[in-house]
Amino acid sequence: DVKVTQSSRYLVKRTGEKVFLECVQDMDHENMFWYRQDPGLGLRLIYFSYDVKMKEKGDIPEGYSVSREKKERFSLILESASTNQTSMYLCASSPGLAGGSSYNEQFFGPGTRLTVL
Amino acid sequence: ILNVEQSPQSLHVQEGDSTNFTCSFPSSNFYALHWYRWETAKSPEALFVMTLNGDEKKKGRISATLNTKEGYSYLYIKGSQPEDSATYLCASKTSYDKVIFGPGTSLSVIP
Repeated sequence: DVKVTQSSRYLVKRTGEKVFLECVQDMDHENMFWYRQDPGLGLRLIYFSYDVKMKEKGDIPEGYSVSREKKERFSLILESASTNQTSMYLCASSPGLAGGSSYNEQFFGPGTRLTVL
Repeated sequence: ILNVEQSPQSLHVQEGDSTNFTCSFPSSNFYALHWYRWETAKSPEALFVMTLNGDEKKKGRISATLNTKEGYSYLYIKGSQPEDSATYLCASKTSYDKVIFGPGTSLSVIP
């Protein structure tokens, strides 16, 4: 059974703290993604990575950075958390072009609900 | 940024009712359309991957159609059950690595 795991289901942090959200997939997927979900909005892409040490900005990268040192792990970093980063964060992965159809769907983790006080 | 819209935003139906909802996406640059089901406290899971105009997909009581020329997809649920309660997301893929998600339709099935 394919699996994407995220380090925490719920997280509470204070304004200004540095926050790490970890995501691990066991499917040997090339592509990994970080989204945030806010009420009334679709999943919005923060960053994605299509290979180790590669990263691309998504639609809302401001205030975030990412790290992908190993193929299976993709970390989202909030350098200095702010209250407007309170949200649900979802990680996803998908095969790259070499690993399967380019139409492939994404496989999601369970999400981390982050509250910044 | 291309917009993907879904309607209605939320829906409450009685157990046994059939229902449907809509995903609208820009018809230009179409590559594929995905439907996902997101149950509370679980991960979103893919229901359908649709690529061709006129595609119809079915999984049990759930089916979907695709019109790429006019830019819409319908998701149908026949005889809704409480376990169908979830948020249904559609996502328009405009290239092999670019996906835009809609805001979702939240379905509640009342026993």
